[in-house]
Amino acid sequence: EPEVTQTPSHQVTQMGQEVILRCVPISNHLYFYWYRQILGQKVEFLVSFYNNEISEKSEIFDDQFSVERPDGSNFTLKIRSTKLEDSAMYFCASMATASAYNSPLHFGNGTRLTVT
Amino acid sequence: QQPVQSPQAVILREGEDAVINCSSSKALYSVHWYRQKHGEAPVFLMILLKGGEQKGHEKISASFNEKKQQSSLYLTASQLSYSGTYFCGTETTGTASKLTFGTGTRLQVTL
Repeated sequence: EPEVTQTPSHQVTQMGQEVILRCVPISNHLYFYWYRQILGQKVEFLVSFYNNEISEKSEIFDDQFSVERPDGSNFTLKIRSTKLEDSAMYFCASMATASAYNSPLHFGNGTRLTVT
Repeated sequence: QQPVQSPQAVILREGEDAVINCSSSKALYSVHWYRQKHGEAPVFLMILLKGGEQKGHEKISASFNEKKQQSSLYLTASQLSYSGTYFCGTETTGTASKLTFGTGTRLQVTL
């Protein structure tokens, strides 16, 4: 069964450094997402991406965050200057269709980001 | 904006039933249910659509009350494998642009 893959599985970085989290969504999917989950807490929406542009973003997704789909297969989340509070599990997800609200989200296994 | 789930946590003995509720302050187009095991990604269980109800699994089913903006997940004859955190995800715009997850319900099934 096709799956969403994320790399790396764990990233440790120093405060103020830039990090790029990578995702390969399922190939025929159209909608892409980033969510984050601080340890033991809720799954928070960051951003959705459709047709090569941001569809919607949350208040969390400020100027230090950016997303890109550079080559038609990868979907990246960049954090320009990491803060301690950015430490979390970051999940990439994709959805098969754009118009249907009846399609499930397929999640990757996540990247655990630790900012020291 | 975030859906509220209740209870926050529940402990069951194997074979017992449980109900998890999800309540939204906004009108809903659809409600998704996911289960997350510790250290893993959320896994899709089922979707309930406006105007309908979908049963995803034999012993795990759900209902959707559009007027009350609520959904409930029913777990019957629970098994050890049901343990995990259950999240509802709500869609309020009719598009796929954003799924907002609830506060989560931690379920533990014991022998």
